[in-house]
Amino acid sequence: QSALTQPASVSGSPGQSITISCTGTSSDVGIYNYVSWYQQHPGKAPKLMIYDVNNRPSGVSHRFSGSKSGNTASLTISGLQAEDEADYYCGSYTSSNTLVFGGGTKLTVL
Amino acid sequence: QLQLQESGPGLVKPSETLSLTCTVSGGSVSSSSSTYYWGWIRQPPGKGLEWIGSIYFTGNTYYSPSLKSRVTISVDTSEKQFSLQLTSVTATDTAVYYCARLSTGRWLVQDAFDIWGQGTMVTVSS
Repeated sequence: QSALTQPASVSGSPGQSITISCTGTSSDVGIYNYVSWYQQHPGKAPKLMIYDVNNRPSGVSHRFSGSKSGNTASLTISGLQAEDEADYYCGSYTSSNTLVFGGGTKLTVL
Repeated sequence: QLQLQESGPGLVKPSETLSLTCTVSGGSVSSSSSTYYWGWIRQPPGKGLEWIGSIYFTGNTYYSPSLKSRVTISVDTSEKQFSLQLTSVTATDTAVYYCARLSTGRWLVQDAFDIWGQGTMVTVSS
């Protein structure tokens, strides 16, 4: 199975909004709503930010939102803050009953 | 509050078997009403996340196709641990290894990793 495709990097200024895309196939993102997003700061374990395309776990800021269209899922962060600077990974369930991650996107807050 | 902690050797020789254990505190990996899987994920230095495999409390396992021939995940009878074995390791298996709890979706499909251990670095070198 191939990794989901994410941009290597995105950037934005404090207060702005950014969107990170995650492109899969009709065997994963395209047919299942089991898409999740993880935030990882350097040297730390990943943290679940979004599950089931657009659901936020308790404690995650409302500035984080998710969506999906066809084979592409997206994570939007509004009102960018310095603490949002991190690596972001998407993940999806697949028709082979496996899981797959994206390659990761480095978010830089300018 | 559920917490996960990985443990095992930090250095493994090429061609040998990597063995890690994940200890669960504040809960159990085995429950008749469980709606969770338990999984292993790894991250080579400077690279992205790679799903290794998952296990349900019934013992059903699911593995990454690229690692399936070398991986075994099991649940310890103490019900407080689950383990990873990766055979015939090479330098490309050098990574931080994470254990994590995996929530389930409809029909108990694997969904999202909601609780993670802190990770343990494993280096493959002679």
